[in-house]
Amino acid sequence: DAGVIQSPRHEVTEMGQEVTLRCKPISGHNSLFWYRQTMMRGLELLIYFNNNVPIDDSGMPEDRFSAKMPNASFSTLKIQPSEPRDSAVYFCASSQRRQGAFGSEKLFFGSGTQLSVL
Amino acid sequence: EDQVTQSPEALRLQEGESSSLNCSYTVSGLRGLFWYRQDPGKGPEFLFTLYSAGEEKEKERLKATLTKKESFLHITAPKPEDSATYLCAVRIQGAQKLVFGQGTRLTINP
Repeated sequence: DAGVIQSPRHEVTEMGQEVTLRCKPISGHNSLFWYRQTMMRGLELLIYFNNNVPIDDSGMPEDRFSAKMPNASFSTLKIQPSEPRDSAVYFCASSQRRQGAFGSEKLFFGSGTQLSVL
Repeated sequence: EDQVTQSPEALRLQEGESSSLNCSYTVSGLRGLFWYRQDPGKGPEFLFTLYSAGEEKEKERLKATLTKKESFLHITAPKPEDSATYLCAVRIQGAQKLVFGQGTRLTINP
């Protein structure tokens, strides 16, 4: 298995531009998570999906951020318009959640997208 | 508020010098404590899950333990390839998401 695949690996853009990050989870996994990592705040959960449905988006910073999961093999995180404070590494992770089995699954992370907003 | 605190922030050891990393947590109901390893430029990689106080897990030179308030990651006779950032995370009762600590950056000098 190729693992969780994220693209692009690096993105440099100017303030005000739209940014789209992409993620392909591990085949067969039914949960998908978007995390952001910075030196100051560490790893923060932005949003997660179960069976393609958004479950908890309380970590999304503001309306400039949106995430979609149109099918089981693809998700996007969009920032519009982007700002310098959005600069961070964005990780996508997936897991196989079993019904009623809270606490049992482990997350598999992609290699991340390093975003720099100038 | 649920909190996870890791210490120290950074640790530098000589090869073969054993030590421990700490993860203390304040959560409303623990449903699993996770240890991950993160290498530069990569995503976190799963190491262990612990569920109840007194539980221990081992993998090569690493051993994770859990009490009601904290977890330790013991590293015995480390090698330079053990250099990485070690992250602790908790899953609380009724939630699927993981809450991560800030991590400990471990450097093993040859």
